[in-house]
Amino acid sequence: GQNIDQPTEMTATEGAIVQINCTYQTSGFNGLFWYQQHAGEAPTFLSYNVLDGLEEKGRFSSFLSRSKGYSYLLLKELQMKDSASYLCAVKGSNYQLIWGAGTKLIIKP
Amino acid sequence: IAGITQAPTSQILAAGRRMTLRCTQDMRHNAMYWYRQDLGLGLRLIHYSNTAGTTGKGEVPDGYSVSRANTDDFPLTLASAVPSQTSVYFCASSRTGENTEAFFGQGTRLTVV
Repeated sequence: GQNIDQPTEMTATEGAIVQINCTYQTSGFNGLFWYQQHAGEAPTFLSYNVLDGLEEKGRFSSFLSRSKGYSYLLLKELQMKDSASYLCAVKGSNYQLIWGAGTKLIIKP
Repeated sequence: IAGITQAPTSQILAAGRRMTLRCTQDMRHNAMYWYRQDLGLGLRLIHYSNTAGTTGKGEVPDGYSVSRANTDDFPLTLASAVPSQTSVYFCASSRTGENTEAFFGQGTRLTVV
């Protein structure tokens, strides 16, 4: 079967760094996406990885290891507005996205 | 306004009633999707369309139907609503290909009573 696992909830302190992990088992791999979703709002795109390694975009970075079926999203210099759910999604062999349940990130002052 | 628009924003619906959720995009994206999002579960694909005139079934298609008469519109119909269809519904669109992120509408919160 196809499966994407993320922690349900994480807590971090404003100004700190947090790493959100995602492991996946899918039939086929055509890229991994991270989305941010604030409560009551739509998901918005953060990052895309298809090759192994780190992609950096401002305060956010995303890492992929295809051999390990593993990715993480790294958020630096946390701000209160980063409190949201972070969704990991893999584009499988049929080019459809398979979604994890999301990680709710709580930022404390 | 560029983007993807859903209507209505929220709806309370009596069980057994028919309901169509509307979705329109102006980005000229070929692919469109309908997802439902339930607490503790990831987004689940209901139906999709890779191009106007074609549709496909996703992970949870039962009780739902779609049509794609043109590029911009992708309505989702519940023929006879049941309480288990209470959920938040998101419409999304994307270009076709690998590195193509999906853009989401603001969602429709549907409660079936």
